[in-house]
Formats: sequence, structure tokens, C-alpha cells
Amino acid sequence: DTGVSQNPRHKITKRGQNVTFRCDPISEHNRLYWYRQTLGQGPEFLTYFQNEAQLEKSRLLSDRFSAERPKGSFSTLEIQRTEQGDSAMYLCASGPRNEQFFGPGTRLTVL
Amino acid sequence: AQKITQTQPGMFVQEKEAVTLDCTYDTSDQSYGLFWYKQPSSGEMIFLIYQGSYDEQNATEGRYSLNFQKARKSANLVISASQLGDSAMYFCAMREGTGGTSYGKLTFGQGTILTVHP
Repeated sequence: DTGVSQNPRHKITKRGQNVTFRCDPISEHNRLYWYRQTLGQGPEFLTYFQNEAQLEKSRLLSDRFSAERPKGSFSTLEIQRTEQGDSAMYLCASGPRNEQFFGPGTRLTVL
Repeated sequence: AQKITQTQPGMFVQEKEAVTLDCTYDTSDQSYGLFWYKQPSSGEMIFLIYQGSYDEQNATEGRYSLNFQKARKSANLVISASQLGDSAMYFCAMREGTGGTSYGKLTFGQGTILTVHP
């Protein structure tokens, strides 16, 4: 399978715990994006990487959120001290210049 | 101000009929891109079609076509010969920015739920 993959697909955690999600983009894509989608809404942009450089971060990305793409391949998104408001689907996308192809997402539930 | 507007929360269509999903956008950029994605109940965002602002022809991909009216700032998705499997949420999205300096982040609309009846 040569699509974007994300792990885990589902994560249930207790408030205050830290969680980390992984995204493996399509191998030849140097652009990688993270989005968050809450129920009934369209995805909202969180952050963007070009190769290993994080070039843009949304104001939605509070200081509890951190993302990395250490070798310009896979990326991780970590949320520290999770809050119930963090419950959402976290989507990763990769692409060449114009198109973006999304992974299946990680659904986070914070109890 | 909302940059992508999808005014139809839900649409119904009979199988084998065509359906148009509306999308209007707002931008002051000259170079931008418009996208449509399908999101079935499984949650994955499936890329359907892309239209660049400088493309002279309307984009088509199989049963999907994008009716691009630049002066009206609209980018409606037309699905021909609807199938039961087309039932899903559909999102319109826009990428702003100029050429190589654009980071390419997408701004999405609220979505339209399409239900195809047999």
C-alpha cells in the first residue's frame, strides 16, 4: 500500500496524559500537513512541514502540541497534558505541490 | 470572514441521476487552487478533483466535474450518474498563495452530506 498511513487509528486516554501520533506520508512527497477535525466540521490546519523543516504553525497549535519530522520522512504529533477539548480526528496529509492526499486519521478520545 | 462556504448541509439524489454540490470561496489571491474531497462514514478523506485558478478548462475526473466560475467565485462539484456508494460527506477546500511560496495549507468548508437513494 503506497498511501498515507497513520498510527494508531484510535486512541483513548485520560485527561492529563500525553499522547503521540505517527504519520507515514507517501514516500516521494516532501510536503506534510497535520489537520484536526471535530465532529460535523471540516478539517482545520495545524502545521506544515517541507522535508524536515516545520514552516508553518496554526494558532490552534497551543504550546501543549508539538510536531516533528526528524528525517523528512515520517512525522509525529504529540499532545501533552491532554484536555477533553482535544478529542477529535487528527489527519495527516502529504503531497507534491498542488494535491494533498490524506491518511485514515487518528481518532482521539480524552476521558 | 468565512473563506469557503457550502450552503447545502444535506442533499438527496436518486441513483443514476446527476447532482451538483455548491461551493463559493473568498480570496484576494490571483493564484489559488480548489479541491473537493469525499469523506465516507469510515472517516478517510478521499481526494476527488482539483482546479487551479489559472486553468482554463473545467477539471474532470471520471464521473466528477468541477464547474469553475471565477467571476462568481464558485467551484461547484457535479457528480454524474450517482451511485449508492457516493453517499458521504463532501468537502470543498481552497489553497491560497502564490506559486512556489505557498505552503499549500487547505481551508475547508463545512461540508455537504449527500444521500443517494435507490
